[in-house]
Amino acid sequence: SQKIEQNSEALNIQEGKTATLTCNYTNYSPAYLQWYRQDPGRGPVFLLLIRENEKEKRKERLKVTFDTTLKQSLFHITASQPADSATYLCALLNTGFQKLVFGTGTRLLVSP
Amino acid sequence: DARVTQTPRHKVTEMGQEVTMRCQPILGHNTVFWYRQTMMQGLELLAYFRNRAPLDDSGMPKDRFSAEMPDATLATLKIQPSEPRDSAVYFCASGLGDRGLYQPQHFGDGTRLSIL
Repeated sequence: SQKIEQNSEALNIQEGKTATLTCNYTNYSPAYLQWYRQDPGRGPVFLLLIRENEKEKRKERLKVTFDTTLKQSLFHITASQPADSATYLCALLNTGFQKLVFGTGTRLLVSP
Repeated sequence: DARVTQTPRHKVTEMGQEVTMRCQPILGHNTVFWYRQTMMQGLELLAYFRNRAPLDDSGMPKDRFSAEMPDATLATLKIQPSEPRDSAVYFCASGLGDRGLYQPQHFGDGTRLSIL
C-alpha cells in the first residue's frame, strides 16, 4: 500500500541546534516533494519544493534533501529558534497522478 | 500579502443540518483545492478546480458533499445532511498556473466544523 510516513512523535531540541525531520514514502514515484509549516489554528504555509532530479535545495536556514533510492526526504533547520516551533508537513505529487498527498506531520519544539 | 479567505472560521451544528463553507481564493489564482484535516487521517484532498471547472472530486463522499465555483472569486463546499464523522477542519487552498499542482499551494486558515 502507499504510505507517507513522518515521525508522529514530537521532536524536542534546544535553540541553536539543527533540527532534522524525516519523510519516508512507500509505493510512490514522486515527481516532486514539498514541505509546509503549520501553526496551531492556521493553514499550512509552503516552505520549499524539490524535484525528483534534485538532490538538495536551500532557502536561508532551511535545507531539504531528496533521495529517490532511499525513498526519503530530510528537512533541516539550522540555528533553530523557538519561533521555528510548529508542525512540519511533507507532501508529494506522484508521477502520473494529479493529487498532492500529505504526510501527517511532525511537531517540532525548540526550547530557549 | 494576498491571502485565501475562508468563512466561517468555526461552525457547530447538529447532525442532519446543511453546512456551507466558503472560500475566496487569491485573486488571479486559477486552481482551487478543498482539503479535510483530522488527527487520524491528516490532510486529505476532497476536490479541486482549475479555471472553475471541477477536475477531481474522488476524495469526496458524493452522496452528501458537493463543491462548486460559482465564479472565480468564490468556491463553496456543502455537506447535506451532515454527520458527526464530518467533524474536522476544512481547508481551502489556491494555486497558479496551468500546472497548478506543480506550484505551491496557498492555504486559508480553515473552517473548524463540529457536528453534534
